[in-house]
Amino acid sequence: AQSVTQPDIHITVSEGASLELRCNYSYGATPYLFWYVQSPGQGLQLLLKYFSGDTLVQGIKGFEAEFKRSQSSFNLRKPSVHWSDAAEYFCAVPPGAGSYQLTFGKGTKLSVIP
Amino acid sequence: GAGVSQSPSNKVTEKGKDVELRCDPISGHTALYWYRQRLGQGLEFLIYFQGNSAPDKSGLPSDRFSAERTGESVSTLTIQRTQQEDSAVYLCASSLQLVPDTQYFGPGTRLTVL
Repeated sequence: AQSVTQPDIHITVSEGASLELRCNYSYGATPYLFWYVQSPGQGLQLLLKYFSGDTLVQGIKGFEAEFKRSQSSFNLRKPSVHWSDAAEYFCAVPPGAGSYQLTFGKGTKLSVIP
Repeated sequence: GAGVSQSPSNKVTEKGKDVELRCDPISGHTALYWYRQRLGQGLEFLIYFQGNSAPDKSGLPSDRFSAERTGESVSTLTIQRTQQEDSAVYLCASSLQLVPDTQYFGPGTRLTVL
């Protein structure tokens, strides 16, 4: 079954600094890939998704992600972090062809220093 | 429009009791998913419903867990004879169709088993 790995459990950045959150997937074919954000006390919200086509995907709140087949990665980036970006970020992928649920990574918690 | 709603938002129960958790999906969404999120963990898939098709129960951890859905509306997740390891946040999501469509998540029900 396909899975995703988020190597970083916790990342701390200064406000205004750039951000990159890592996500690696395991699967042979081009997968469908998602990034969700979970803010304190709130439900999960989709940031962006990749299905096919342009490998650089733009999302909400100024986030983008790049699909790199050669590295089996779908890293999330933001050029300048805001204090309100402090949250937990989850990468997700369907576990296999024909699967409809999502398999989530364990998440990366982002802290922002003012 | 209204998002996915879940009730109750918090539930505290004693070990051995049964609990019912409710999910109201976004109107018109044919697919409905249940996930579980244990403290500090990613989401674990439990079950999904799609229209009138038989649900995919492959993620249910034991036969103490069951779920129903009335048509394309409300769903209830029932946990019988609760155990302390059932303590988690139970999240419901809905989508217009099966993946790769975006899943919209509710705020979750936090279940604590004493």
